[in-house]
Amino acid sequence: KAGVTQTPRYLIKTRGQQVTLSCSPISGHRSVSWYQQTPGQGLQFLFEYFSETQRNKGNFPGRFSGRQFSNSRSEMNVSTLELGDSALYLCASSPTPSGELFFGEGSRLTVL
Amino acid sequence: QQQVKQSPQSLIVQKGGISIINCAYENTAFDYFPWYQQFPGKGPALLIAIRPDVSEKKEGRFTISFNKSAKQFSLHIMDSQPGDSATYFCAASMEGSQGNLIFGKGTKLSVKP
Repeated sequence: KAGVTQTPRYLIKTRGQQVTLSCSPISGHRSVSWYQQTPGQGLQFLFEYFSETQRNKGNFPGRFSGRQFSNSRSEMNVSTLELGDSALYLCASSPTPSGELFFGEGSRLTVL
Repeated sequence: QQQVKQSPQSLIVQKGGISIINCAYENTAFDYFPWYQQFPGKGPALLIAIRPDVSEKKEGRFTISFNKSAKQFSLHIMDSQPGDSATYFCAASMEGSQGNLIFGKGTKLSVKP
């Protein structure tokens, strides 16, 4: 069974640009969550989606947005990038919101 | 406001020794407490998890001890091996919302041969 797939794995952007990250959950998983990982702040929750509906949102500015499609795939977007947005963005999926989370390997974003 | 506090930040243990990592939480509404293991370049992987209705859970060399009254839980790694060298994160979430995990800051474990 294939794991959680995140694309792209690495990307470099400049301040002010926007970025879209993609996540394909494990087959059959309908719940997708996103996390930001940085050395200073650790792992911080961004969003949680289930059946195309956002269930929860973390304490991030409105520049961070996400969505989930009918096939459970998810995307997150960060607009007007800032240097502090440099991080590893992790996607995790589970069968339901009460299920065990399986993480992908992440998308490493560098903002110059 | 850090809702889950983890200690120590780093830990060095000799092969065969016991590794102990501690976490404390504040929100009594938390009812799911997992531990994740992360190797460099990889995403976190679930190691073991516990709910407040039990005080201990063991899976192989890994044991979670849970103290509800003290709002603390810990991970014990018995017979630590060099392959256990990784960063360990404790986390907590509320009922029905395990996708919304509050993580501790992590403990970098090094097991010396």
